[in-house]
Amino acid sequence: EVQLVQSGAELKEPGESLKISCQVSGYIFTNSWIVWVRQRPGKGLEWMGIIYPGDSETRYSPSFQGQVTISVDKSISTAYLQWSSLKASDTATYYCARTYSAAVGDSYDVWGQGTRVTVSS
Amino acid sequence: SYELTQPPSVSVSPGQTARITCSGDALPRKYAYWYQQKSGQAPVLVIYEDNKRPSGIPERFSGSTSGTMATLTISGAQVEDEADYHCDSTDASGTHRVFGGGTKLTVL
Repeated sequence: EVQLVQSGAELKEPGESLKISCQVSGYIFTNSWIVWVRQRPGKGLEWMGIIYPGDSETRYSPSFQGQVTISVDKSISTAYLQWSSLKASDTATYYCARTYSAAVGDSYDVWGQGTRVTVSS
Repeated sequence: SYELTQPPSVSVSPGQTARITCSGDALPRKYAYWYQQKSGQAPVLVIYEDNKRPSGIPERFSGSTSGTMATLTISGAQVEDEADYHCDSTDASGTHRVFGGGTKLTVL
């Protein structure tokens, strides 16, 4: 069974750094892209960026370029999303998902359960 | 930047047909994908490549495209279909993926 398991909820203060994770199982990690998606409370989905674990090729939405960093650790089949300095506006649930195939434009067929990040002083 | 436009809400009675639209200039050339998201849950893929249904998705879910509009149709909507539905596609250059704003489907 293909699974994407995300790290737990986080409560942080503005200015702090954070790295959340998405560990996959049930398929070959390097054969699909991993996408990160933001969902602010009561709002829609926002495409943040995507990474190919095979060679770490990464693409960011213009809205998120320079605001976050996406990375992977192939040795433990895990993708990461990190911030160097959080803002209150980063409060959201973050989802990872995989592409069905190695094609970057393919569908997102399996999703993680989401990580809720709250940034508040 | 590229945008996909969905109606904020659609409401139908149980057994009726629900149609949720998604408009975008690149849709004639790029696939549309649809995701169902129930309250407090992660999204689930219900339609891929405009009109294909993943295994396990009920036959009442179907997709179509015409020009710059993609449509998700739920034939004989049921109460358990009440959810937010999000369309997803790529801009004309194929570089950036975008989600629509989401449509809240009410079945009552």
